[in-house]
Amino acid sequence: AQKVTQAQTEISVVEKEDVTLDCVYETRDTTYYLFWYKQPPSGELVFLIRRNSFDEQNEISGRYSWNFQKSTSSFNFTITASQVVDSAVYFCALGGGYQKVTFGTGTKLQVIP
Amino acid sequence: DTGVSQDPRHKITKRGQNVTFRCDPISEHNRLYWYRQTLGQGPEFLTYFQNEAQLEKSRLLSDRFSAERPKGSFSTLEIQRTEQGDSAMYLCASSWDDQPQHFGDGTRLSIL
Repeated sequence: AQKVTQAQTEISVVEKEDVTLDCVYETRDTTYYLFWYKQPPSGELVFLIRRNSFDEQNEISGRYSWNFQKSTSSFNFTITASQVVDSAVYFCALGGGYQKVTFGTGTKLQVIP
Repeated sequence: DTGVSQDPRHKITKRGQNVTFRCDPISEHNRLYWYRQTLGQGPEFLTYFQNEAQLEKSRLLSDRFSAERPKGSFSTLEIQRTEQGDSAMYLCASSWDDQPQHFGDGTRLSIL
């Protein structure tokens, strides 16, 4: 069975602070994908990143960066210099070939101006 | 806008009634997925289509739920004899093969 744990239910930061969202996963598959999605108050899930289990290289995209560590089954997400527009619920997810994606319970991020 | 479209956005109905939701995927996408999301939880997979074929169904999809994608384009999700526990946001997503799934805005179902 696949499982995704996001232990942080809610996080509040002041604008311009850095924040890291934690994600720990469990799977018996040797090949899998990890995802992060953003769900703003409007409700639509927005795809942020996909990472293949064979690629442990960290990725940076603007103010976003992701740290994938297979040894600890973690896929953490850092937002640098947070902005109010980053306020949303962020979901970490795990999938095998995209047919079925298992989501975590989400971390609600509030960025205070 | 050529994103995933869901209709209606909100549905309020009495317990015991039947409801049907529609999803129009991104036109060139061959895969279509339905998820359910309850308050404070992440989306839960319900079912998945490859073109018109329904290839996987979750155990969450009871006998009262049925999904179709008759021509491999739009899809419908029907819930018969609705119950209080069916209240949730129903999300549709689509993708081209193994590319990332794109989600619609969802249909929020409220059971009175």
